[in-house]
Amino acid sequence: GESVGLHLPTLSVQEGDNSIINCAYSNSASDYFIWYKQESGKGPQFIIDIRSNMDKRQGQRVTVLLNKTVKHLSLQIAATQPGDSAVYFCAENTNRDDKIIFGKGTRLHILP
Amino acid sequence: DAGVTQSPTHLIKTRGQQVTLRCSPKSGHDTVSWYQQALGQGPQFIFQYYEEEERQRGNFPDRFSGHQFPNYSSELNVNALLLGDSALYLCASSYSTEQYFGPGTRLTVT
Repeated sequence: GESVGLHLPTLSVQEGDNSIINCAYSNSASDYFIWYKQESGKGPQFIIDIRSNMDKRQGQRVTVLLNKTVKHLSLQIAATQPGDSAVYFCAENTNRDDKIIFGKGTRLHILP
Repeated sequence: DAGVTQSPTHLIKTRGQQVTLRCSPKSGHDTVSWYQQALGQGPQFIFQYYEEEERQRGNFPDRFSGHQFPNYSSELNVNALLLGDSALYLCASSYSTEQYFGPGTRLTVT
């Protein structure tokens, strides 16, 4: 399984700036990718997903980019707000009904 | 429409004891997955239930078992608790694609 450390990487962003959170996934056979947001004391919350036949998908203030060549995902958050403070996880699976494999989380810290 | 609910919210147990955690899926969802999230880490898949049967299992020992009821609700049972079982236990429900997570049960083993 994946290895996740006790100390999450942290990204500090000025309020109003754009945030970019990066993730490397492990399984080249994965065909579905998801970004989750987890606030303190809560379960992960779905943000946006993307299939492997796409390289970009946009939502409200969020964009996910997929680079299958280097097995890399990124989440872009436009005009970051204080409510965006959370831990962000990328996740993958090979069948939408099967288990989700979570990657390393990144803590997003918003500077006033 | 209520989302995924879990009970209890918090639980403290002693090593060697047994624990049962409960999950009610989001309305219309028939599949329930359980995850363990240790402090500072991402959730780790335990197992998934569909049509009252375990459909897939992660790398967890047999001390972890589960059940799904006809109304799609589910239980996670952990026997012979170890200190290392202390974690947030998350339940996620789904119908076909997106999984919705509950708030979790915080289990502390002393």
